[in-house]
Amino acid sequence: DADVTQTPRNRITKTGKRIMLECSQTKGHDRMYWYRQDPGLGLRLIYYSFDVKDINKGEISDGYSVSRQAQAKFSLSLESAIPNQTALYFCATSDSTGWTDTQYFGPGTRLTVL
Amino acid sequence: ILNVEQSPQSLHVQEGDSTNFTCSFPSSNFYALHWYRWETAKSPEALFVMTLNGDEKKKGRISATLNTKEGYSYLYIKGSQPEDSATYLCAADSGGGADGLTFGKGTHLIIQP
Repeated sequence: DADVTQTPRNRITKTGKRIMLECSQTKGHDRMYWYRQDPGLGLRLIYYSFDVKDINKGEISDGYSVSRQAQAKFSLSLESAIPNQTALYFCATSDSTGWTDTQYFGPGTRLTVL
Repeated sequence: ILNVEQSPQSLHVQEGDSTNFTCSFPSSNFYALHWYRWETAKSPEALFVMTLNGDEKKKGRISATLNTKEGYSYLYIKGSQPEDSATYLCAADSGGGADGLTFGKGTHLIIQP
């Protein structure tokens, strides 16, 4: 079984709809991240969380919100989806007790906003 | 946020040939350099992490070197095979927590049989 899972894997929605993407991990890591990937732009950080009570904005947080419901769960919400939020979204985890911040990625969620 | 550049953006290599590509990053405020391999329809997987100037890591036919003084890392693939086709991402870590890990845009490698 995958250590980092994301649901849904694919989603098509309409402009203005509220969307939630979910991420779960069984790695026991304390840190979790949400990235989006756009062609030609690489991975960009949206939000990150160092533990259940810690939420931080990343490079491109506008239009997104997150919730860390438990150490193993980190969800990303688009309150009112717009077409330029069409992208591939990745969740990742890392272990703060490690000497480096190696991140482990989920399989991605492909979101299309019409 | 660090400025991490990768070149070339894409690369076609004949099966059996060796190849290499580059990741450049600011040499100041540096903590670690990560390489990830990202196959189509899969998630990025960690290949190497390096911290010390002159570090060299190897995994099978893939190796990487690090020059922290001039701010670059090379990834080498010896005797390319079709299964090496993937996007290779590097990420620079300034040690400042999550916002210290900045990804480059990747090098898309295609191995032609």
